Amino acid sequence: EDKVVQSPLSLVVHEGDTVTLNCSYEVTNFRSLLWYKQEKKAPTFLFMLTSSGIEKKSGRLSSILDKKELFSILNITATQTGDSAVYLCAVERNSGGGADGLTFGKGTHLIIQP
Amino acid sequence: NAGVTQTPKFRVLKTGQSMTLLCAQDMNHEYMYWYRQDPGMGLRLIHYSVGEGTTAKGEVPDGYNVSRLKKQNFLLGLESAAPSQTSVYFCASLRGTAPRGGYTFGSGTRLTVV
Repeated sequence: EDKVVQSPLSLVVHEGDTVTLNCSYEVTNFRSLLWYKQEKKAPTFLFMLTSSGIEKKSGRLSSILDKKELFSILNITATQTGDSAVYLCAVERNSGGGADGLTFGKGTHLIIQP
Repeated sequence: NAGVTQTPKFRVLKTGQSMTLLCAQDMNHEYMYWYRQDPGMGLRLIHYSVGEGTTAKGEVPDGYNVSRLKKQNFLLGLESAAPSQTSVYFCASLRGTAPRGGYTFGSGTRLTVV
């Protein structure tokens, strides 16, 4: 059974701080690891990390994948109140012909205080 | 471009009633998914489809049925609703050909069974 564990489950920091969110995983025949940001409604896609793309960066957000140690981190620098959200980590297995969905962690609830 | 649209957005059912949730995507994606999200549980896969006319069970399929008669639509049915099915339901879709990108989620349906 695939498993994703995120830590911490909740985090409160002040605006301008840097945060690191953690995600460890166990998956049979790993294909990719994805990060999502969820505010009130739909999870919105941030990054996909694979064997051929183990580091991604977009503005103040960056993520790395360690396939040997089976974990990923999501970094957010110079945090803003708009970064407040639940951050979800998910893994996808390589199922051959198709894509049989994602296994999610429970998420990290990040609160940025002004 | 609407992406993934879910209807209805909110619904209250009485125990034993039936209903169908509709998911529609306009991105010509091959793969579609239904998840449920409960507090402290993360998102869990209910059923998914890798193409028109095909469906498969996910992690928590009991009490639900699905159909994908058209490529753009994926229906989730509850034949006899139970309070344990109170949840937020998310539909997602995924492109089947490279570059696959991330899964795109709808804005969710909040279902309460009383």
